[in-house]
Amino acid sequence: DGGITQSPKYLFRKEGQNVTLSCEQNLNHDAMYWYRQDPGQGLRLIYYSQIVNDFQKGDIAEGYSVSREKKESFPLTVTSAQKNPTAFYLCASRSNTEAFFGQGTRLTVV
Amino acid sequence: DQQVKQNSPSLSVQEGRISILNCDYTNSMFDYFLWYKKYPAEGPTFLISISSIKDKNEDGRFTVFLNKSAKHLSLHIVPSQPGDSAVYFCAASFGTASKLTFGTGTRLQVTL
Repeated sequence: DGGITQSPKYLFRKEGQNVTLSCEQNLNHDAMYWYRQDPGQGLRLIYYSQIVNDFQKGDIAEGYSVSREKKESFPLTVTSAQKNPTAFYLCASRSNTEAFFGQGTRLTVV
Repeated sequence: DQQVKQNSPSLSVQEGRISILNCDYTNSMFDYFLWYKKYPAEGPTFLISISSIKDKNEDGRFTVFLNKSAKHLSLHIVPSQPGDSAVYFCAASFGTASKLTFGTGTRLQVTL
């Protein structure tokens, strides 16, 4: 059945290491998004892609990178340049109505 | 610059009563609005949406009202149930296919 899958659900990273969060969708949606949620804050947009091989910075792109080589996949790399990477990361895809979200990845820097 | 605002961080309502969650936006170019429900450590799930050509949309116990002149929307849940306890986010976009801008969320607690 169709959906959007994020993996892993929990991720631990040592300071100074890059880490890549996976996001895959089989909804045939053109647009995909990465959001970050911190306690007491809403969902803040990191990067988005409206079509394959194209992506745009969101409101808090510093310290992150993405790629969109396939329609189904939109991986997010959290680099060592991201000052406060510990957060809950959400991936979404959208067609012409609502956006569908994955179950999220909780990243903890140790 | 918070373009979508939910000024009430939390709301407590008795079971069976009406829950009213509010949302304000500043960008008059937003023309599509959505409400999402979120449980801890899970992704948000879509509840209901409204286009700016309407002022009301209903789906079962959920109704969204849009006041374009006031740049304000609200979500009404009637009757409220304990399973409605969650964080509710409103979101806005330009059209139906662009990025979503979210508010900070309102935590709803429905008590027995």
